[in-house]
Amino acid sequence: EEQLVESGGGLVQPGGSLRLSCAASGFALKNYGVIWVRQTPGKGLEWLSHIRSGNTSIYHADSVKGRFSIFGDKAKNSVFLEMNSLRVEDTAVYYCARVTRWEQPTGTIRARFCDLWGRGTLVSVSS
Amino acid sequence: DIQMTQSPSSLSASIGDRVTITCRASQTINNFLNWYQQKPGKAPKVLIYGTSNLQSGVPSRFSGSGSGTDFTLTITSLQPEDVAIYYCQQTYSIPMYTFGQGTRLEI
Repeated sequence: EEQLVESGGGLVQPGGSLRLSCAASGFALKNYGVIWVRQTPGKGLEWLSHIRSGNTSIYHADSVKGRFSIFGDKAKNSVFLEMNSLRVEDTAVYYCARVTRWEQPTGTIRARFCDLWGRGTLVSVSS
Repeated sequence: DIQMTQSPSSLSASIGDRVTITCRASQTINNFLNWYQQKPGKAPKVLIYGTSNLQSGVPSRFSGSGSGTDFTLTITSLQPEDVAIYYCQQTYSIPMYTFGQGTRLEI
C-alpha cells in the first residue's frame, strides 16, 4: 500500500525550530513532486513549499521564505521541512502530499494533482 | 500569484439534492484545476483532477466542468457522507499550487 506519514510536530516556543518528516512507503518518492501544505485551526489550506521530482528544484511561499527549507533524502525515501524562527502564526496542522502528473503519450501534461496525502502533524508555537 | 475564489463559502442542502460549487481563478489556468474533499480531522482527498476527470474510487455522482477561469463541482444526488469542506486548487502556475478558501457543505 502506498502511504505518506508525517512526523516531527510538537510544541515549540516562538523563535524555535522543528524538522518535519514525510516518509513514503510502497513507492519511490524521488519520482514525484512533493508539497507541504498547512491548515490553521478552522481555516483553509495554505501551500508552503514544493520540491520537484528528483529533488531538482525547491520553492517556498513568501510567508515562510528564509525561515523554512524543504529537502529530500532519496536513501530515506523521505522529504523534510526544516522550520526555523517559528512564530505563533505558524501554529497549524502540516500535511505533505505527493504530486502526480497525468501525461499523454506525446509528453503533454494534462493535469497535476495531489493524489496521496499524509495524515498531518500538528505544530504548536506558544510560550 | 494566481488567486482562487470559491462560492458559496457555505451551503446547506437536503439529501438527494443537486449541489453546485464554483471556483474562479484570477487568470486562465488551462484546465489545471482540481477538487478536494476534506472531512473533519482528515487529510484532503482528491475527487476531480484536470477539471473533469474523476479520481479512481470516487462515486460517479461527483463531476467537474469548466474552462478558462471558471470551474464547477457538481454533486448530482447529495448523500449524508458528502458532508465536508470542498476545496479547488490550481496547478497551472508552478510551483505555487494555490487553493480556494473552501466551501462548507452541510445537510
